[in-house]
Amino acid sequence: GENVEQHPSTLSVQEGDSAVIKCTYSDSASNYFPWYKQELGKGPQLIIDIRSNVGEKKDQRIAVTLNKTAKHFSLHITETQPEDSAVYFCAASNPPSGTYKYIFGTGTRLKVLA
Amino acid sequence: SAVISQKPSRDICQRGTSLTIQCQVDSQVTMMFWYRQQPGQSLTLIATANQGSEATYESGFVIDKFPISRPNLTFSTLTVSNMSPEDSSIYLCSVGDLAGSYEQYFGPGTRLTVT
Repeated sequence: GENVEQHPSTLSVQEGDSAVIKCTYSDSASNYFPWYKQELGKGPQLIIDIRSNVGEKKDQRIAVTLNKTAKHFSLHITETQPEDSAVYFCAASNPPSGTYKYIFGTGTRLKVLA
Repeated sequence: SAVISQKPSRDICQRGTSLTIQCQVDSQVTMMFWYRQQPGQSLTLIATANQGSEATYESGFVIDKFPISRPNLTFSTLTVSNMSPEDSSIYLCSVGDLAGSYEQYFGPGTRLTVT
């Protein structure tokens, strides 16, 4: 079945450094890839997304890149700050022709050390 | 986006009982989803609940265990029936297809502990 692999499972960086999280998906029909940030005790918050017709998208300190041929996409966070510490989840889906359901990666716990 | 609330925020329940979790959205939405997140784990879709149709359950989840209601475009409930300690999880609702977008927005979750 569909599967999304996410690496690394934990990531520690110094404040101000960059962080990169990578996901690989199995379903070649996937065309929408969101990233979520989940802080302790809260629901996941959508932080950035990308559609398959775009190779890169940027929003201030965060960016997402997509390689459709290799079926992987990555989250890049620059100039990390302590408040970036959280669990990050990638997901893949196939709207609108397929279902809107998301297949989530296993999550990455990011720690930004002050 | 949408503002989503869930009730209760947390509960401790006895084995064998049932708990109904409510999800309220501040705008009308076509699609609502229910997820389970076991401690320290990722999110697993339980079912999709679209107004006016029966909920669609994912493999491993059945209606007798997780009955869902979707009476209107702003509200849904998930019941966890005949609970066992293995049902201890965070249960999250999300909404999608806002203005035809692909995004999903999540509620704060309901933290359930079964003793």
